[in-house]
Amino acid sequence: GAGVSQSPSNKVTEKGKDVELRCDPISGHTALYWYRQSLGQGLEFLIYFQGNSAPDKSGLPSDRFSAERTGGSVSTLTIQRTQQEDSAVYLCASSSLGSYNEQFFGPGTRLTVL
Amino acid sequence: AQSVTQLDSQVPVFEEAPVELRCNYSSSVSVYLFWYVQYPNQGLQLLLKYLSGSTLVKGINGFEAEFNKSQTSFHLRKPSVHISDTAEYFCAVSSDTGGGNKLTFGTGTQLKVEL
Repeated sequence: GAGVSQSPSNKVTEKGKDVELRCDPISGHTALYWYRQSLGQGLEFLIYFQGNSAPDKSGLPSDRFSAERTGGSVSTLTIQRTQQEDSAVYLCASSSLGSYNEQFFGPGTRLTVL
Repeated sequence: AQSVTQLDSQVPVFEEAPVELRCNYSSSVSVYLFWYVQYPNQGLQLLLKYLSGSTLVKGINGFEAEFNKSQTSFHLRKPSVHISDTAEYFCAVSSDTGGGNKLTFGTGTQLKVEL
């Protein structure tokens, strides 16, 4: 079956613009995660969705970052008023129910803020 | 809080030689441990995981890792590497604290296999 997909694969934007990154998880996976991979910070957890529960937003770096998950499937990560330090690869992962089930990662979206 | 340390940022090795990539973790609760591999311009792929039971875990592509609770380590090994193993390897930890198994990653080790 299809894996986790993300779009766009690359996004170049100007400082101050808003961007939206999309993640399509594996069908049937109830858990969805966003991570950020940057040269300075490595791989960082951003936000976690599980079913209809309130998301765990503890990893979001600032209030310019937000995410939603519609219908328990597709998720969108939004960054408002982008800054150069937001440049990174944004990775999405999904997993089936269970506290230790394998997370399947998408190919990522490379965001470059000029 | 939990953390992962990968002391080696780069490991060069000749083809068919053995390799060990080191990983140490810190956590106040029981943990689950993972090794992921990332090939250039690709996402992360799970190599192996330790959840419980036998401390020697075998994964894909001939890799294995041993969980050592007393040394808080989870080193990754392969007895004979191939050129195609050139990639970045990430050790990660999660715990069952009711908040989902969000992963805490190490900084990664770049494995470069040379002829």
